[in-house]
Formats: sequence, structure tokens, C-alpha cells
Amino acid sequence: AQSVTQLDSQVPVFEEAPVELRCNYSSSVSVYLFWYVQYPNQGLQLLLKYLSGSTLVKGINGFEAEFNKSQTSFHLRKPSVHISDTAEYFCAVRIYSSASKIIFGSGTRLSIRP
Amino acid sequence: DADVTQTPRNRITKTGKRIMLECSQTKGHDRMYWYRQDPGLGLRLIYYSFDVKDINKGEISDGYSVSRQAQAKFSLSLESAIPNQTALYFCATSDSTTGDYNEQFFGPGTRLTVL
Repeated sequence: AQSVTQLDSQVPVFEEAPVELRCNYSSSVSVYLFWYVQYPNQGLQLLLKYLSGSTLVKGINGFEAEFNKSQTSFHLRKPSVHISDTAEYFCAVRIYSSASKIIFGSGTRLSIRP
Repeated sequence: DADVTQTPRNRITKTGKRIMLECSQTKGHDRMYWYRQDPGLGLRLIYYSFDVKDINKGEISDGYSVSRQAQAKFSLSLESAIPNQTALYFCATSDSTTGDYNEQFFGPGTRLTVL
């Protein structure tokens, strides 16, 4: 069975500092990978996705993520965070053969300190 | 106007009551989903529908039922609400014709409290 692990439930960082949110997945077959962001009192919106090709993908708001197949990871990074990045971030996977659903991680709450 | 809307946005109800949460979309997508979000658990799939005649259970369907009244509408019902169904509920849509990776678009959520 597929699973997604986000090791950090909360990540506090100072404004303008770099940040990395970790995501590891478990799957014996090929997957699509996603990062979603949920701002306070809002629904989820897609931040970026990896489908195929280059393992470094860039998303909105200056975020990027790198797919590492050997380590089954898809960590999210931003070189310099802003107060407006305060949100909860969800990693998600979908296996190629399953059109039915995306499996979400438990989320990482990113809090930015001024 | 929002592409995926949910009503109500907040609801407080009592144990044993029947509750319906509604989702409408103007994106023209064929696939629709219901998730619940609980702190520390992420999103879990309750039901999904690939078209009006195709409805499937997700990982936590017990205690819930759904109705796909039209391509644009997908309702979630709690026949007899219980306190552990207190959660944030999200509707999502996706379009099978734009590629197979199934990017999903989410509504703003419904916060349900069962007393």
C-alpha cells in the first residue's frame, strides 16, 4: 500500500530564512507527487507537482521541490520565507495505475517569526 | 466567483441528526471527491465519483453517504451524526480529460461540529 510521511508536524522559522519541509513516500510503483498549501481558513491549492522529467520542479510563490527516487523523497524548499508563507503544507502522492485518489500526508504547519 | 463552492461553511448540530453538505462546481470537471480533515491526520477520502453514475467508497465511508445529482453537484450526508464526525470537510474536483495525473481543485471547506 502507498503511504506518505511528513516527519515534521510543525516548522518554525524566522522571516527571510530558508526552509525545507520533508516528505517521504512509500510505493512499489511509479507515482505522481504533489505539494498543496492551505492558508488559514481556506481550502487547499496546488503549490507544485512532479509528473516526469526533471527532478527539480518549481512552483508558485518561490517554492521548489526535488524528487529523489532512490530515497523516495519529495522535499519542499524555499530559500527565503515571508510572513505570508504561514500555512499548512501537505505532500501527496498518486500512483500511475490509480485514477481514483490522492493520498495525503498529515501536513506540516509552517510558522514564520518576524 | 469561486469555482468550487460548499454550503454551509459552518454547521453545528446534535448527535443523531441528519446532515447534508453540498458541493457545486462550475469548472466542468467530471470527477468529484469528498474528504475530511482532522488535525494531525491530513485529508482522508470519504467518497469519490467519476461521473453521475459512478460512485465509489473511499477509505472512511462508514457513517456517510453521497449523491451525485448532476455533473456539477455532489452532496455528502451524515444519516445520524456522531461527535467523532466533527471535522473539516472538503469537496474537490478533477478533470479526467486534461491528463491522467489527477490534479484536484478544492472548495473552501465546511466546518462541522457534532455535539
